Amino acid sequence: DGGITQSPKYLFRKEGQNVTLSCEQNLNHDAMYWYRQDPGQGLRLIYYSQIVNDFQKGDIAEGYSVSREKKESFPLTVTSAQKNPTAFYLCASSPRQGDGELFFGEGSRLTVL
Amino acid sequence: GEDVEQSLFLSVREGDSSVINCTYTDSSSTYLYWYKQEPGAGLQLLTYIFSNMDMKQDQRLTVLLNKKDKHLSLRIADTQTGDSAIYFCAESEFSGGYNKLIFGAGTRLAVHP
Repeated sequence: DGGITQSPKYLFRKEGQNVTLSCEQNLNHDAMYWYRQDPGQGLRLIYYSQIVNDFQKGDIAEGYSVSREKKESFPLTVTSAQKNPTAFYLCASSPRQGDGELFFGEGSRLTVL
Repeated sequence: GEDVEQSLFLSVREGDSSVINCTYTDSSSTYLYWYKQEPGAGLQLLTYIFSNMDMKQDQRLTVLLNKKDKHLSLRIADTQTGDSAIYFCAESEFSGGYNKLIFGAGTRLAVHP
């Protein structure tokens, strides 16, 4: 079955540690995205990638980093510089950047202790 | 920047109709979208409407668009317990050289017997 897989589903981290969230898709989509979801707020775009070896900052990129070495994979690193990292992180993909239909993974919930 | 606003909660009785409302600010949006998020999961595209349409019907779902007032609504007929979820309205915006979706904060729909 085609889809997007995020892992881990739950993650706990101590302050000062970096953590990497995995996102893999087998939909053959060019574009991939990372969003952050906080209670009572809309999804906010962290980074997006239009194609392999290319990525751009979204609205809240500070304290995060990404890579896009393979079409299927778009990992997100939450660094110790991110001041408020506890959140639900959603990865998504679309056939092309700018498509309105995004396909989402099931999310990763990060808690910083 | 652009903004999408929704009320945060809606409670309805099973079998009644639900109406979820949304206001947006970008009058140049070509499409407007409704996404659904079930507990602990990612978002899934429910329906969308092209900006030159007033209404779109899809089985139990009816989308109404008032472009003059920048108001979008989603009506769910014969609401069932399986419709309990968070519903996000989204508009497309062209900014910084790319198209992106701007999401509202989501309306949590609770369906009770």
